[in-house]
Amino acid sequence: DQQVKQNSPSLSVQEGRISILNCDYTNSMFDYFLWYKKYPAEGPTFLISISSIKDKNEDGRFTVFLNKSAKHLSLHIVPSQPGDSAVYFCAATDSGGGADGLTFGKGTHLIIQP
Amino acid sequence: KAGVTQTPRYLIKTRGQQVTLSCSPISGHRSVSWYQQTPGQGLQFLFEYFSETQRNKGNFPGRFSGRQFSNSRSEMNVSTLELGDSALYLCASSLEGGRNSPLHFGNGTRLTVT
Repeated sequence: DQQVKQNSPSLSVQEGRISILNCDYTNSMFDYFLWYKKYPAEGPTFLISISSIKDKNEDGRFTVFLNKSAKHLSLHIVPSQPGDSAVYFCAATDSGGGADGLTFGKGTHLIIQP
Repeated sequence: KAGVTQTPRYLIKTRGQQVTLSCSPISGHRSVSWYQQTPGQGLQFLFEYFSETQRNKGNFPGRFSGRQFSNSRSEMNVSTLELGDSALYLCASSLEGGRNSPLHFGNGTRLTVT
């Protein structure tokens, strides 16, 4: 039973346009969400997080939106750059959380086309 | 500051053998977590250590075990290897664990069981 789902295994976006990566979750106890980015042969790198008390968090070109009623979050990257090509993982945890057992989605491979 | 270091990078073992993987966290980080990444299951939480104590454990059989030393370095052991244990094993460290200290991942150990 997958509690965090990233239904698009891959996404192709033109350079300069907006990339939107989606994530759905089923566990209503999750109250903290994170996005990680992974390049081949490297470990995941933390990008941005959001607490369930917010519906939006922004950091430079990256914005995460949270819709609690729909149990859905999305990561927006504007504008998309070639270096953004990577696998993006959505992760969630509950109030016990943080490093204590993040639940990850299976990832979305973002490809930025020149 | 040096990142999280995992050794070895690659390992090939035979079914039934046992294996030990090593992780050196970022200096000053006291929490170390281990994750297994496979194509089918994505990233799955194994366990977390803090101050030499296992603080949290994922849903893996007892063949998977770990420990943490007084210098925060951690090892993970898998006994009686099975083909399905072939995966990328990722170690992550954080200052204290918890949501205010994001995970910093190493580049992983690629284990192949034949």
